[in-house]
Amino acid sequence: GAGVSQTPSNKVTEKGKYVELRCDPISGHTALYWYRQSLGQGPEFLIYFQGTGAADDSGLPNDRFFAVRPEGSVSTLKIQRTERGDSAVYLCASKGASNTDTQYFGPGTRLTVL
Amino acid sequence: SQQGEEDPQALSIQEGENATMNCSYKTSINNLQWYRQNSGRGLVHLILIRSNEREKHSGRLRVTLDTSKKSSSLLITASRAADTASYFCATDAGDSSYKLIFGSGTRLLVRP
Repeated sequence: GAGVSQTPSNKVTEKGKYVELRCDPISGHTALYWYRQSLGQGPEFLIYFQGTGAADDSGLPNDRFFAVRPEGSVSTLKIQRTERGDSAVYLCASKGASNTDTQYFGPGTRLTVL
Repeated sequence: SQQGEEDPQALSIQEGENATMNCSYKTSINNLQWYRQNSGRGLVHLILIRSNEREKHSGRLRVTLDTSKKSSSLLITASRAADTASYFCATDAGDSSYKLIFGSGTRLLVRP
């Protein structure tokens, strides 16, 4: 596709459940990023992939959060034992190889934990 | 934690007026970018300015960067009601990851 896509667009779950959020980056982009945005705030970095490997996961808040990118394209963000505080918009972005390339964002997944 | 701070937090202007938003950051950067966001969803990239650039234009947008003061400004000229949105500056972390560190944003309202 032409842009970054994310599915689902909205996810409502109950406290304690497991969720998976999917990101399809722009074709050919080697770098992929996950961010989380709470209401009224700017996005906050979670994890960065270069190819298949997680090059920087310093933004993951705790070990309930995990992300994979097994073939260097699609990525899945996984959240175990969800808590109400996990409610936010989860944004994915991809970027080309040049250091002046911009990050292109997907529309996000709005996660609501009841 | 967020590096950038936008100023003002909210701005209300009349259509046709210019809108100026400011951003300050804390650490060394490679690039600084401005993004726009409607309704709390997709971020749209507006402009990127490199650390060795001082000013950049794109249509009705003008961005300046002062690395000595660690600050940037975004000017939107001849504003339109459709410019109503939240605007964020984002700096990279100055390392090889180019992960973005966002400010808290300026909410711009352009009144028709």
